[in-house]
Amino acid sequence: NAGVTQTPKFQVLKTGQSMTLQCAQDMNHEYMSWYRQDPGMGLRLIHYSVGAGITDQGEVPNGYNVSRSTTEDFPLRLLSAAPSQTSVYFCASWTSGRPQQYFGPGTRLTVT
Amino acid sequence: KNEVEQSPQNLTAQEGEFITINCSYSVGISALHWLQQHPGGGIVSLFMLSSGKKKHGRLIATINIQEKHSSLHITASHPRDSAVYICAVNTGNQFYFGTGTSLTVIP
Repeated sequence: NAGVTQTPKFQVLKTGQSMTLQCAQDMNHEYMSWYRQDPGMGLRLIHYSVGAGITDQGEVPNGYNVSRSTTEDFPLRLLSAAPSQTSVYFCASWTSGRPQQYFGPGTRLTVT
Repeated sequence: KNEVEQSPQNLTAQEGEFITINCSYSVGISALHWLQQHPGGGIVSLFMLSSGKKKHGRLIATINIQEKHSSLHITASHPRDSAVYICAVNTGNQFYFGTGTSLTVIP
């Protein structure tokens, strides 16, 4: 099993550009989440999904979009990048039967 | 408002010392997790607890549900234990995270 994979590992965007961060898991987990990690603030939830076709907002959803068309994939879209979105982004998945999160390796995003 | 509070924020120890990191939470939980993040690295789960105590090698995690408090202990600390340790709680559909404790173990 590859676990949770994320691409890209690093990305630099200019203000106003859009992009999609990819996340995939091969463990058939129903739950998937996107977090951002900023210095001194811990991990904050952006969006999450409880299954294919079902998504909901977390603590910091503004400027981000998600969809979940399959159990495996949960892409995060930045609609119009802003310097405040400079952060490290983590995707995670888990199953309700055992709520231990498995994290992807992270994407370091810089918006200039 | 922080659902999860950790202390201390930073911790420096000499190799071999016994280390304790504390976590308090304010919400009802189904499980509490201790995570480890090495510098520049990914996040891995160390423990998942809903009651009592768990041990894995030199790491011990305890939880007191009534007091809404958990501790992570490291016995005989080693420089390779240097990392950020994060407490997280699961409340059903979501997780809430502490801001982490940065541990440095000096040889």
